[in-house]
Amino acid sequence: AQSVSQHNHHVILSEAASLELGCNYSYGGTVNLFWYVQYPGQHLQLLLKYFSGDPLVKGIKGFEAEFIKSKFSFNLRKPSVQWSDTAEYFCAVTPPGTASKLTFGTGTRLQVTL
Amino acid sequence: GAGVSQSPRYKVTKRGQDVALRCDPISGHVSLYWYRQALGQGPEFLTYFNYEAQQDKSGLPNDRFSAERPEGSISTLTIQRTEQRDSAMYRCASRGGVRNEQFFGPGTRLTVL
Repeated sequence: AQSVSQHNHHVILSEAASLELGCNYSYGGTVNLFWYVQYPGQHLQLLLKYFSGDPLVKGIKGFEAEFIKSKFSFNLRKPSVQWSDTAEYFCAVTPPGTASKLTFGTGTRLQVTL
Repeated sequence: GAGVSQSPRYKVTKRGQDVALRCDPISGHVSLYWYRQALGQGPEFLTYFNYEAQQDKSGLPNDRFSAERPEGSISTLTIQRTEQRDSAMYRCASRGGVRNEQFFGPGTRLTVL
């Protein structure tokens, strides 16, 4: 079945460590890609998005993601995490021809320790 | 309002009761989406509207679920004869334009006893 896969379910990092969260999708054709974050007690917020153009996308709070079409991937990165980055991160895809309804991965829970 | 709002934030109901969940989108946003999120999973699409027209309801699990947006603004998701498996977080999002992202509300946590 066509889907979005996030391979890391729970990641624990120390402050200042580098972060990379994987996201792979299985749709052919042109897709739009998103990373959403949910901080504890808050609602889903957009971190960054890719529609076209430069495959390296920069988002808020120092996050970036790289779209690699040949690998069907859109991995999220941050060079140095902070305790305040503790949250759940969701990769989402708008598959072709679906009028922007989002298909989400199962999420990655990131815990940053001091 | 400044963001998407949903009410109630929490709803506990008994099996067999009907529930209505409300979503108030960002003012002027054309598109409105409903998602359901089970524990440990990502949100799953239920249905969406452009203005008052329901464009896609392919994600509604069965005919106990329905949604409306009669004036192209506030939307209501109704679940009839609730079952325990309906327990989940129900999320609403609105979008202003084709190349814009979806803005999510805080969600309604539904618990069916």
